[in-house]
Amino acid sequence: QKEVEQDPGPLSVPEGAIVSLNCTYSNSAFQYFMWYRQYSRKGPELLMYTYSSGNKEDGRFTAQVDKSSKYISLFIRDSQPSDSATYLCAMSAGNQFYFGTGTSLTVIP
Amino acid sequence: EAGVAQSPRYKIIEKRQSVAFWCNPISGHATLYWYQQILGQGPKLLIQFQNNGVVDDSQLPKDRFSAERLKGVDSTLKIQPAKLEDSAVYLCASSLVRVISYNEQFFGPGTRLTVL
Repeated sequence: QKEVEQDPGPLSVPEGAIVSLNCTYSNSAFQYFMWYRQYSRKGPELLMYTYSSGNKEDGRFTAQVDKSSKYISLFIRDSQPSDSATYLCAMSAGNQFYFGTGTSLTVIP
Repeated sequence: EAGVAQSPRYKIIEKRQSVAFWCNPISGHATLYWYQQILGQGPKLLIQFQNNGVVDDSQLPKDRFSAERLKGVDSTLKIQPAKLEDSAVYLCASSLVRVISYNEQFFGPGTRLTVL
C-alpha cells in the first residue's frame, strides 16, 4: 500500500467552476499536509500547508484535513485557465516526505 | 531572491554510463533535498542534507546513487552506472531550518535524465 494515494485524473473543468482535489493516506504519524502546483517542465511550488486537522483558506484556495478519515482536500473556487497544472499533495512526519502522484487539471476558457 | 539552480537541464546517456547533477540552493538555506520524479508520478525523496551532513538517505539506491554536499552549500548527485529505469526528472529543493515552524521547500526546475 502506498503512503499517499491521489487520483491522477485528468480533470477538465470550465472556467469559473469549483474544483475539488483529494488525497488519502495510511500513515497516522503525518503532521504536515501540503498542496503543491507543478506547471509543465517546472519544479513544484507550494500552494498551502496545514498542520494537523482543520481548514485553511488563502484567496480562492481552501485546504481541508480530516485526520480521522486520513483524507485531505484542496478546493479551488472560481477556477481560471492559469490554474491549469498538476496538483500534488504531500505529507510529512519528521524527516520523511511523501508526495501523491499528482492530479492533472485543465481549466477551459 | 534567486531560486534554486540546477544543471544541466537535460541529459541523455546510454545505460551503464555515469552522470552527475549539480544543485545550488537558495542562499542561507541549510537543508537540501534531492528528489526523483518519474513520469506520471510524484517526487520521491532520495536524500536530505542539513548543512553538509546527511539527515536521511533511506530511499537512495546506494549501490548506484551517491550524493555529497561539500561545505554545506552546493550539492552533487551521481548515478553510476545508470539503468533504463533511472530515466526521470531529478529535482533539488532547499529550505531554511526553523525549529518551531513549517520549513517550506523551494524547488529548482529539475534535470531531465533520459537513459537509452
